[in-house]
Amino acid sequence: QQQVKQSPQSLIVQKGGISIINCAYENTAFDYFPWYQQFPGKGPALLIAIRPDVSEKKEGRFTISFNKSAKQFSLHIMDSQPGDSATYFCAATFRRGFQKLVFGTGTRLLVSP
Amino acid sequence: NAGVMQNPRHLVRRRGQEARLRCSPMKGHSHVYWYRQLPEEGLKFMVYLQKENIIDESGMPKERFSAEFPKEGPSILRIQQVVRGDSAAYFCASSPPGGTGELFFGEGSRLTVL
Repeated sequence: QQQVKQSPQSLIVQKGGISIINCAYENTAFDYFPWYQQFPGKGPALLIAIRPDVSEKKEGRFTISFNKSAKQFSLHIMDSQPGDSATYFCAATFRRGFQKLVFGTGTRLLVSP
Repeated sequence: NAGVMQNPRHLVRRRGQEARLRCSPMKGHSHVYWYRQLPEEGLKFMVYLQKENIIDESGMPKERFSAEFPKEGPSILRIQQVVRGDSAAYFCASSPPGGTGELFFGEGSRLTVL
């Protein structure tokens, strides 16, 4: 019940294309859904986050779509660039307890020039 | 304005030895979290500490692992009698008191057990 399932495991997108990563959760009590970006040898960095009272949040080229009834959320990277090549993790937690993030297994994105 | 500082960045231990990983949170942050990342997996929560207090250690293995965050000095994650399965990247994160809840991660300590 605490799992967050993430797909695909890896993704190759051409420069300028749209990268889409999907996540599904089970615990309906989760109410905060961040995405983290991790470059090799570095720690994860918060990219964008959403709360379930909205269906979409956009920051620059990054958009989270949230489907509460399906218990799914996804990250869309528009106009993907080689510099976006990294591992992306979705996560979920409770607003009352931010510290206990439940992470997906990660998606390794490669944007080809 | 330094971020979360972890050391050592890489640590090699033989089976049965002890590993000590240190974490200094960002300036002004008083909450520290430890996460473990096994190869090809996502991060798993281990423990959440405030100064001199363990708030939540539900993700810590029952044996050999301990964590502290003393009044002075960095937080320390201690692994006694390491085994090969302890090989992983250990990430520390910090957050401000009563803040947005965003976690700021360090660059991790990569433990290899021979």
